Amino acid sequence: GNSVTQMEGPVTLSEEAFLTINCTYTATGYPSLFWYVQYPGEGLQLLLKATKADDKGSNKGFEATYRKETTSFHLEKGSVQVSDSAVYFCALDTGRRALTFGSGTRLQVQP
Amino acid sequence: DAMVIQNPRYQVTQFGKPVTLSCSQTLNHNVMYWYQQKSSQAPKLLFHYYDKDFNNEADTPDNFQSRRPNTSFCFLDIRSPGLGDTAMYLCATSRRGGEETQYFGPGTRLLVL
Repeated sequence: GNSVTQMEGPVTLSEEAFLTINCTYTATGYPSLFWYVQYPGEGLQLLLKATKADDKGSNKGFEATYRKETTSFHLEKGSVQVSDSAVYFCALDTGRRALTFGSGTRLQVQP
Repeated sequence: DAMVIQNPRYQVTQFGKPVTLSCSQTLNHNVMYWYQQKSSQAPKLLFHYYDKDFNNEADTPDNFQSRRPNTSFCFLDIRSPGLGDTAMYLCATSRRGGEETQYFGPGTRLLVL
C-alpha cells in the first residue's frame, strides 16, 4: 500500500536558519506529492506540490523536488521566520482521490 | 471569499450520544472529504463523495456515516460516539479529485466524555 514517512519532530530552529524536513514515500504507480502546513488552531493549507519526477514545487520561500530515484520529497527553506512555526505534512495522491499523509513534523522557530 | 466552512468549531458530547458535524463549501467543487485527525497524528480519510457517489474507506467504522444533500453541504454523523472518537474532524473539497489540490476547512474539534 501507499505510505509516507516524515522525520520526527519537533524541529527547533533559530530565526534565519536553514530548514530541511525529510519525506520519503512508498507508492504504486506515479503519485503526485504535496506539502501541507497546519498553523495552530487551523485546518491544513496546501504549501506546494509536484506532479511528476524532477518537478520542483515552491511557495513562500519553501521548495521541494520530486526525486523518483530516492522516492523522496524533502522540504527546504533557506531562512525560516517565527511565522513559519507550524506542523508540516507530506502527502501523496495516486489519483484515487485520497491523500495519504505522513505523521507531520512540528517546526518551532525561535526569535 | 470562497471557502470551506465547518460548524461547530468545538463540540463536546457524551459517550453514546449521537453527534452531527457540518461542512459547507462555496467553491462548487465536485468532491468533498471527511478526515479524522487524532492528537499528534496524520489526518486519516474516513470517506468522500464525488457528487452524490459515496466512497467509504475500508477501515472506517460503521459508527461513522455521512450525508451530502446537495453540492454545497456535507455532514458527518457519529451514531454512538466512543471515547476513542475524540479528535479533530477535517472537511476538504477538490474540484474533481484525482491529483488536484484539496482545500481544507478549519476543522471541528470533538471531545467525547
